[in-house]
Amino acid sequence: AQSVSQHNHHVILSEAASLELGCNYSYGGTVNLFWYVQYPGQHLQLLLKYFSGDPLVKGIKGFEAEFIKSKFSFNLRKPSVQWSDTAEYFCAVTPRSGGYQKVTFGTGTKLQVIP
Amino acid sequence: EPEVTQTPSHQVTQMGQEVILRCVPISNHLYFYWYRQILGQKVEFLVSFYNNEISEKSEIFDDQFSVERPDGSNFTLKIRSTKLEDSAMYFCASSEDSLSGELFFGEGSRLTVL
Repeated sequence: AQSVSQHNHHVILSEAASLELGCNYSYGGTVNLFWYVQYPGQHLQLLLKYFSGDPLVKGIKGFEAEFIKSKFSFNLRKPSVQWSDTAEYFCAVTPRSGGYQKVTFGTGTKLQVIP
Repeated sequence: EPEVTQTPSHQVTQMGQEVILRCVPISNHLYFYWYRQILGQKVEFLVSFYNNEISEKSEIFDDQFSVERPDGSNFTLKIRSTKLEDSAMYFCASSEDSLSGELFFGEGSRLTVL
């Protein structure tokens, strides 16, 4: 079974600071990788995803993530955060093995951006 | 933009009571899911549903839980005899196909069991 670990539970940054949230997964085969975001009081939304190809993927709102296969990592980055990025961020993985795919989430990282 | 809708947004119930949480997935989606998030914990998979039957369920999804697609649009989660530890945010999700893994989530139903 696959698993996902997120290293930072709570991150506090000032506006304009750079962001990197760590994500590592464990699975013996090929995976699809995702970052979801949950803004306060709102539902989970897809931020970006990686299926194949260029390991550097760009998502909405200036976020990007890099898949490093050798490290089983998929870290989320943003060069300059804004107050509106305050949210909880979830890394997720699903095996790419055909048929039904169950998405497994990490524990989440709460990001607080201070104006 | 099509979206997954869930009702109720918040339900308070007494321990031992039955609760039904309702979801309307995106209309052309074929796969349906329930996840839950206990306060302060991660989002946990409960069950997936395809072609009118359960595809997979987690250890959490015991006999107390059931899912149903009673008509062409609704997808329900029933908790037969609620326990205090069932208090959580329950998220419904749907996906168009099984290969992409991209889930579209509803806003969640907060269940509080007293």
